Formats: sequence, structure tokens, C-alpha cells
Amino acid sequence: GEQVEQLPSSLIVQEGASVLINCSYTDSASVYFPWYKQEPGKRLQFIIDIRSNMERKQTQRLTLLFDKKTKHLSLHITATQPGDSAIYFCSASNNRIFFGDGTQLVVKP
Amino acid sequence: EAAVTQSPRNKVAVTGGKVTLSCNQTNNHNNMYWYRQDTGHGLRLIHYSYGAGSTEKGDIPDGYKASRPSQENFSLILELATPSQTSVYFCASGDAWGGRAETLYFGSGTRLTVL
Repeated sequence: GEQVEQLPSSLIVQEGASVLINCSYTDSASVYFPWYKQEPGKRLQFIIDIRSNMERKQTQRLTLLFDKKTKHLSLHITATQPGDSAIYFCSASNNRIFFGDGTQLVVKP
Repeated sequence: EAAVTQSPRNKVAVTGGKVTLSCNQTNNHNNMYWYRQDTGHGLRLIHYSYGAGSTEKGDIPDGYKASRPSQENFSLILELATPSQTSVYFCASGDAWGGRAETLYFGSGTRLTVL
């Protein structure tokens, strides 16, 4: 079945820095890739998504890039703030939804 | 915004006891899911449902049962709880058939401790 891998597993940055979270998947049948954010002790919340017929999507400080050929996604967060501290999950969806193990981001003030 | 409510928020159970985790969603979503979240394992799918009366096994169904008596409610049942089932459990609902383009809406989680 589908396997979703995220790297890095954790990163610590200073406020204002940009970060890049990478995600790869294995099943070429996956067509939809939502990302979720989980703040400490909270529920997962949808933050951005992209479909397999797109290459790029941007919303506010988030930019999501998708390479169908290499089965790779990357989430770019600019001008990070302490409120961005959370676990970020990549997911891939075909007939089922598969999650990566998450990337823990800590933004220091 | 989709509303998914889980109860209880915290639960302490004894080994061998029966535990029922409840989930209610108010957005008329067809699909509902139960995940557990453990450090180092991300989210693992236990059971899911495509609608009232249906339940399907996920990736780690052993030791768990599920029940979907209505569109709104989806329960996870541990008939004989074990310490290895100590975890945080999340319920989610989704708004597309088959998961091909589905955004999930999560509950706040239930922290279960089995002693």
C-alpha cells in the first residue's frame, strides 16, 4: 500500500526564519494531498492541500509544491512565528488516506 | 466548520475492562475514522466507516471493534483493554466518497490510559 514519508522529523528555528518540510509518497494512484497542523494538545486541523494536476499552491505564508514525476511534495513556511509551532502532517489520498509520521516544528521567539 | 466531538476527553481503564470511545459529528459526512496517535508512529488507522451500519478494518484493527449506528455517531470499543492500547485516539469525519479527495475534520482526541 501507499507509504508516506516526511523529513525532517523535527526542526527548531528562530522566529522569522523560513522552513521547508519534505514529503514523499509511493503510490502513483494518489491524487489529493492535504496537510494538517496539530498544535500541542490540540486536534489536527487542515491547513493547505494540492491535487495531482497542480504544481503549486500558496496561501498566506504557506507554499506547497508538488512534483508528480518524483512523487514529492514540499511545504514552505515563511516568516515563522511562535504560533507556527506544531506538528505538521502530510497525507496522500487515493481510495484511502495515508499519513506521514509528522514533522515537529518549534519556532523560538 | 465541521464539528466533531469526542467523549470522554480522558479515560483511565483497568486491564481486561471494556472501554467505549464515542464520536459525534454534526455535518452529515458519510465517512468517519478512528486513529490512534503514538510518539514515533504518527497516525494509525484502526477502523473506518462509509455510512450508518458499515464498519471497515483499518491498518491496526486487532483488539478493537467499531460501531456506526447512525450517520452522526461512530464508536470505538475495546472489549478487553490492554496496557498496549494506552494512547491518544482521534476520531475524524470526511466529506467525500472513497477518500479520493477528502479533507478530514478531527475531534479533540481522547487520552486513554490502561493500567
